[in-house]
Amino acid sequence: SQQGEEDPQALSIQEGENATMNCSYKTSINNLQWYRQNSGRGLVHLILIRSNEREKHSGRLRVTLDTSKKSSSLLITASRAADTASYFCGGSNYKLTFGKGTLLTVNP
Amino acid sequence: DTGVSQDPRHKITKRGQNVTFRCDPISEHNRLYWYRQTLGQGPEFLTYFQNEAQLEKSRLLSDRFSAERPKGSFSTLEIQRTEQGDSAMYLCASSSTGTSAYNEQFFGPGTRLTVL
Repeated sequence: SQQGEEDPQALSIQEGENATMNCSYKTSINNLQWYRQNSGRGLVHLILIRSNEREKHSGRLRVTLDTSKKSSSLLITASRAADTASYFCGGSNYKLTFGKGTLLTVNP
Repeated sequence: DTGVSQDPRHKITKRGQNVTFRCDPISEHNRLYWYRQTLGQGPEFLTYFQNEAQLEKSRLLSDRFSAERPKGSFSTLEIQRTEQGDSAMYLCASSSTGTSAYNEQFFGPGTRLTVL
């Protein structure tokens, strides 16, 4: 069964705006990983945050993790049309447990 | 290309036929995972290997599904007597243990199965 949940399910913004996606999970995890998926393609790894970390940055990406609330957020700053994709979070102990993802549309 | 590769990329089969998919992980990765993704859903874990040992297979969807990794390198996923409900994207991922027990999983492009 799916244990991760991304919120919102769909997000539409203008190019240049920031996009924030949230993720919740149910069981204890070792780390949480965010992925991007373009339609019909495989998942592209974006960033991993470990359970003892609270915030991590990579380029235009900022990820936070709150283990007490079992939640994470992904912020994409200065979005581009090429960021249009589905975004998934996966809570990991050994396997990844995903939600249904957030479909992000960045309008030029 | 040193990423995870999967073959074939697309497979169309008739109900009742057997199909086999192959995954080649990143060469230095000792862990290999299989996931299935249906339309509008996130990937769902099926099974995983550490080297040649299959450490969990309880999530394989039925006894029609089996996976092998005989030499600890590439892996195959076989579905016997396919059903229309097996139509999905089958994704493979690999990771290393390294300094941490659980590291980034890198996914291949997937094999899209259509059962007619």
